[in-house]
Amino acid sequence: DAKTTQPPSMDCAEGRAANLPCNHSTISGNEYVYWYRQIHSQGPQYIIHGLKNNETNEMASLIITEDRKSSTLILPHATLRDTAVYYCIVGAGGSQGNLIFGKGTKLSVKP
Amino acid sequence: KAGVTQTPRYLIKTRGQQVTLSCSPISGHRSVSWYQQTPGQGLQFLFEYFSETQRNKGNFPGRFSGRQFSNSRSEMNVSTLELGDSALYLCASTMTVFGGANVLTFGAGSRLTVL
Repeated sequence: DAKTTQPPSMDCAEGRAANLPCNHSTISGNEYVYWYRQIHSQGPQYIIHGLKNNETNEMASLIITEDRKSSTLILPHATLRDTAVYYCIVGAGGSQGNLIFGKGTKLSVKP
Repeated sequence: KAGVTQTPRYLIKTRGQQVTLSCSPISGHRSVSWYQQTPGQGLQFLFEYFSETQRNKGNFPGRFSGRQFSNSRSEMNVSTLELGDSALYLCASTMTVFGGANVLTFGAGSRLTVL
């Protein structure tokens, strides 16, 4: 079973920041938090990951709480093309390909 | 650099038949994973291959099998197809970045319809 809990759906106005929450209260010390998204009928796309510290890349920012039991993915200026299902995943490192996906959050960006 | 390539993109089979799907990973990636995606069950892990050996396996029946070749290309096979095997089959290849994290790059998928 997935180790994360996410709201099933969220709406966001175009141009505003989208903040997607994720709870992972049973995360282990060596487990990373990964975020992927899937646009309809395409393969999932990697967004960002983190272990303890907050992270930022060209796509998004990842804020991880100090106790690591929850995190938030931030899309700073959402566009219509950001409409997708966003998956928060907890998993170990070590080049293992067996990530366990949950149901994710369906983000709808509206004009 | 080329992404993960899956073939065929679409296929239709009938119950009882078998199917083979192919995946070419990103050059240099040695790990290939397979996932099944259905509306009801979401994305489910099938198995992972690394250096021609199955390293991890999900909870699927033995009808689902795979292999990896020396060039890291992978195939998965489903025998005795059932209606419930209709799904999008996704392949992902993996590299390790930034001290050990896994970053999966997915292909576009092979959409299988079983009639």
